[in-house]
Amino acid sequence: GQQVMQIPQYQHVQEGEDFTTYCNSSTTLSNIQWYKQRPGGHPVFLIQLVKSGEVKKQKRLTFQFGEAKKNSSLHITATQTTDVGTYFCAGPGGADGLTFGKGTHLIIQP
Amino acid sequence: NAGVTQTPKFQVLKTGQSMTLQCAQDMNHEYMSWYRQDPGMGLRLIHYSVGAGITDQGEVPNGYNVSRSTTEDFPLRLLSAAPSQTSVYFCASSYGGTRLGDTQYFGPGTRLTVL
Repeated sequence: GQQVMQIPQYQHVQEGEDFTTYCNSSTTLSNIQWYKQRPGGHPVFLIQLVKSGEVKKQKRLTFQFGEAKKNSSLHITATQTTDVGTYFCAGPGGADGLTFGKGTHLIIQP
Repeated sequence: NAGVTQTPKFQVLKTGQSMTLQCAQDMNHEYMSWYRQDPGMGLRLIHYSVGAGITDQGEVPNGYNVSRSTTEDFPLRLLSAAPSQTSVYFCASSYGGTRLGDTQYFGPGTRLTVL
C-alpha cells in the first residue's frame, strides 16, 4: 500500500535557526496536508497543497509540493519556542482516510 | 461550537475488558474517523464513516468495532482489550472525505492503557 516517509525523525535546533522536514510518498498524491501536534496535544491542520510545484507561505513557514507530486517539504525560518512540536505530512490513503508520515519532532534549545 | 469532543481523556483497562470510546462533533460533518497513535508510528486509520449508517475499515481495524447511528456521534468499541491496544486514540471529522482533501479536525484524544 501507499507509504509516506518523513525525515528526519528528530531535529534539534537552537532558537533562531531554521528547520526543514521532508516528506516522500511512494505514489503520486492528489494533495498533501501538513499538521502540527504540540506535546500532549492533538494534530492541528496547517495547510493543504494541491498543485504540482506549489509553494505556500504562512508567516515563517514555507510549504512546497514537488513537481511530481510525490514529495513535499516544510521549512521554518528563525525558529521560536512556540514552534516546538511534531510536524506530520499526510496524503489520501488507500481507504478514505489519511496516510500519515511518522512525523518530525522539533526540539528547540533556547 | 465545541468542535470534536472525546471521552474519556484517560482510561486503564485490564486484558479482556471491553469499553467504548466516545466521539462527538457539532459541526455537521459527514465524515468521521478514528486513528491510533503509537510512539514512532505516526497516526494510523482504524475505521471511518462517510455518513450516518455507513462505516468502513481503515488500515488497522482488527479488535475494534464502530457504528454511526447519527451524524454527530461515532463511538469506537474495543471488544476484548489487549495490551497491543495501548495507544492514544484520536477521532477526526470533516465535511467530506480525505480524498476530497478536506481539513480534518481532531479531537483531544483518549489515552488508553491495557494491562
